[in-house]
Amino acid sequence: DVKVTQSSRYLVKRTGEKVFLECVQDMDHENMFWYRQDPGLGLRLIYFSYDVKMKEKGDIPEGYSVSREKKERFSLILESASTNQTSMYLCASSPSGTNEQYFGPGTRLTVT
Amino acid sequence: GQQLNQSPQSMFIQEGEDVSMNCTSSSIFNTWLWYKQDPGEGPVLLIALYKAGELTSNGRLTAQFGITRKDSFLNISASIPSDVGIYFCAGRASGTYKYIFGTGTRLKVLA
Repeated sequence: DVKVTQSSRYLVKRTGEKVFLECVQDMDHENMFWYRQDPGLGLRLIYFSYDVKMKEKGDIPEGYSVSREKKERFSLILESASTNQTSMYLCASSPSGTNEQYFGPGTRLTVT
Repeated sequence: GQQLNQSPQSMFIQEGEDVSMNCTSSSIFNTWLWYKQDPGEGPVLLIALYKAGELTSNGRLTAQFGITRKDSFLNISASIPSDVGIYFCAGRASGTYKYIFGTGTRLKVLA
């Protein structure tokens, strides 16, 4: 079974803090993705990576950065958290061949 | 960013009834995926479709890739209480890694 894990299920941070969200997949997938999910807006792509050290901006990259130093790990970084970044963050991975995306359980981030 | 039009937005049904939902797009897609999401959890992949006209089943679930390549359908037969959740479609065009997601259909099953 494909396993995508995220470092925290729930996280509470203060405005201005630097926040790291970690995602690890154990299936040797080439592609990894970070989304945020908000009521009424669905899933929106923040960043994705198709190889180690490679990254591309998604639809809403502002305020976020990412890091992929190893194939199995993709980190999302909020350099200075703001209240409008309160959301559910979902990581996904996919092999380059089948293109099926598998999601982690999500991290619900609250910025106060 | 672009989003798919998914309908209905929500539905209440009686246990044992069949359910249908669909997604439409203004763009042509090469892949359609259907997911289910339980509260507080990540989406779980149900069915993947790769070819126009393709009909694929997973237990009581059946999904179809529309012939126009701009739509997809999901049917659930003989619904049970654990079918409750949000169902999402996602479509991907050729030459891109990016999926476009529908806004979800919230399903509630009345026992």
